[in-house]
Amino acid sequence: AQSVTQLGSHVSVSEGALVLLRCNYSSSVPPYLFWYVQYPNQGLQLLLKYTSAATLVKGINGFEAEFKKSETSFHLTKPSAHMSDAAEYFCAVSVEAGTALIFGKGTTLSVSS
Amino acid sequence: GAGVSQSPSNKVTEKGKDVELRCDPISGHTALYWYRQSLGQGLEFLIYFQGNSAPDKSGLPSDRFSAERTGGSVSTLTIQRTQQEDSAVYLCASSLTGQGYYEQYFGPGTRLTVT
Repeated sequence: AQSVTQLGSHVSVSEGALVLLRCNYSSSVPPYLFWYVQYPNQGLQLLLKYTSAATLVKGINGFEAEFKKSETSFHLTKPSAHMSDAAEYFCAVSVEAGTALIFGKGTTLSVSS
Repeated sequence: GAGVSQSPSNKVTEKGKDVELRCDPISGHTALYWYRQSLGQGLEFLIYFQGNSAPDKSGLPSDRFSAERTGGSVSTLTIQRTQQEDSAVYLCASSLTGQGYYEQYFGPGTRLTVT
């Protein structure tokens, strides 16, 4: 069975600081991995995805993530946080194209000025 | 183009009543998913429709929950005899299918409150 663990339910950073949101997965087969962002009272928006091509994946809004098979990790980073990045972030895994996503519990990112 | 739409955006119902939640997927998307987001359980998969295949109902929490998809487009999630623990945001997503992986696009959700 697949699972996703997001370390840290809440991360706080200062504007301009590095953002690092951690995600570890468990999967018996090569996974597809995703990061979604959710702003208050909105649906989920895809930030980036890993589908077995390049291990370093660049997404929207300056975010990127690196797939590390040896560490079973897919951490999300952004070099410099903006106030507008404050939201909830979800890591998700799928082991077959077109099947349901398994989500982590989410990490709330707060950005202070 | 138009994204995934859901209605109603908010629904308040009394315990024991039935509710129907609607999802309009992106035109041309053959796959449709329902998820539930609650404080205690996070984001959970409920049911998945793929073209004309039998739906994957493995995530439905009880037989009070059912869903159908008419004409390969609009889907309705029905919860019978609602309970307070059904209070959650119900999210619908749709995607293309075929060779390779296609991302799921999510609607804004329906917030269900059972009193």
